[in-house]
Amino acid sequence: NAGVMQNPRHLVRRRGQEARLRCSPMKGHSHVYWYRQLPEEGLKFMVYLQKENIIDESGMPKERFSAEFPKEGPSILRIQQVVRGDSAAYFCASSQQGPETQYFGPGTRLLVL
Amino acid sequence: DQQVKQNSPSLSVQEGRISILNCDYTNSMFDYFLWYKKYPAEGPTFLISISSIKDKNEDGRFTVFLNKSAKHLSLHIVPSQPGDSAVYFCAASDPGNTGKLIFGQGTTLQVKP
Repeated sequence: NAGVMQNPRHLVRRRGQEARLRCSPMKGHSHVYWYRQLPEEGLKFMVYLQKENIIDESGMPKERFSAEFPKEGPSILRIQQVVRGDSAAYFCASSQQGPETQYFGPGTRLLVL
Repeated sequence: DQQVKQNSPSLSVQEGRISILNCDYTNSMFDYFLWYKKYPAEGPTFLISISSIKDKNEDGRFTVFLNKSAKHLSLHIVPSQPGDSAVYFCAASDPGNTGKLIFGQGTTLQVKP
């Protein structure tokens, strides 16, 4: 049973470009969470999605960031017009039901030059 | 506003001895807590959890204790092994029933041979 998959593992972008991060949850899991870890900090919640629905986006910056979890395919976290402050590790987690143990992917490390 | 706090950034113990990692929280509505272990360049790995209806949960070498009146929990690792060297994160599940996790800043554990 494959775990949570994330790709790419590393992503380098120049300021102003777009970054797309992908997450495939564990088999049988329909709840996806995105977290961001800035250097020397803990993980911070960004957004919680179920298939085709955003349930809670209270941790998402109001501009440039968006997320989706389509009926088919992985969840996507999209960052438009990236800035250096977006450089961080972005982790996806999934669970079978919302309030339950979450299992994390390996993360995508975004570096903005 | 840091609702989950791990006040010790680092801890060093000798192999075979007990490691005790501490975590404090401020929101008395939190009712489910988790500990994750993280190696560099990897995602967090779930270790153990505890519900607020319990004060102790044990799984092999790992035991989590919860003191609700003090809003404090701790993770005990006995005996500690060099492979336990990692960053340990305490997390609380948001009581709003979305399941999003609120993480502490992490404690880096080093177990010396």
